[in-house]
Amino acid sequence: SQQGEEDPQALSIQEGENATMNCSYKTSINNLQWYRQNSGRGLVHLILIRSNEREKHSGRLRVTLDTSKKSSSLLITASRAADTASYFCATAKAAGNKLTFGGGTRVLVKP
Amino acid sequence: ETGVTQSPTHLIKTRGQQVTLRCSSQSGHNTVSWYQQALGQGPQFIFQYYREEENGRGNFPPRFSGLQFPNYSSELNVNALELDDSALYLCASSSQQGALTGELFFGEGSRLTVL
Repeated sequence: SQQGEEDPQALSIQEGENATMNCSYKTSINNLQWYRQNSGRGLVHLILIRSNEREKHSGRLRVTLDTSKKSSSLLITASRAADTASYFCATAKAAGNKLTFGGGTRVLVKP
Repeated sequence: ETGVTQSPTHLIKTRGQQVTLRCSSQSGHNTVSWYQQALGQGPQFIFQYYREEENGRGNFPPRFSGLQFPNYSSELNVNALELDDSALYLCASSSQQGALTGELFFGEGSRLTVL
């Protein structure tokens, strides 16, 4: 079973716009991570946020975490065509432990 | 380029057959995890190996088995293949430091089709 549920399942935006996707999970966590996957290939780690953190930035990425609501959001600012991919949130109950992935959000950035 | 390599990239098997998938972890990484990703879904954890010992297992039957070798490379074996085993199999490695941070480095996967 998958712990995380992403919303929306699919997102289509114009280049330059911001893309926001959300993730909800069910149990307590040590950390939450976001990964990107291009067209059925391997996953690329984007950012990790620990349970005691509320917000984190990395380049054009901004992640928030609300442990009281068991939810997280990923914001991609000034999107580019190269950002077209599926984005997955994944939670870990303990550092170094298995990751439980959500179903992903498919993002299409139109040039 | 993550440095995690998997082979083969694609393969086709028939029901009842056995398959072995291979993974070379990134240099310096001693922990390997395997995930199964069905089409249109997120990856699901199969098991993890640390220093040649299984270190956690997901909800997969015993016909899914694995090995880790002294050089930290790993194999995933699936016996008695079923149609539902058709998926992308992803290997991910992490270092001892990575085990503290939780970041995984994924290979490109092996796409298995069972007919």
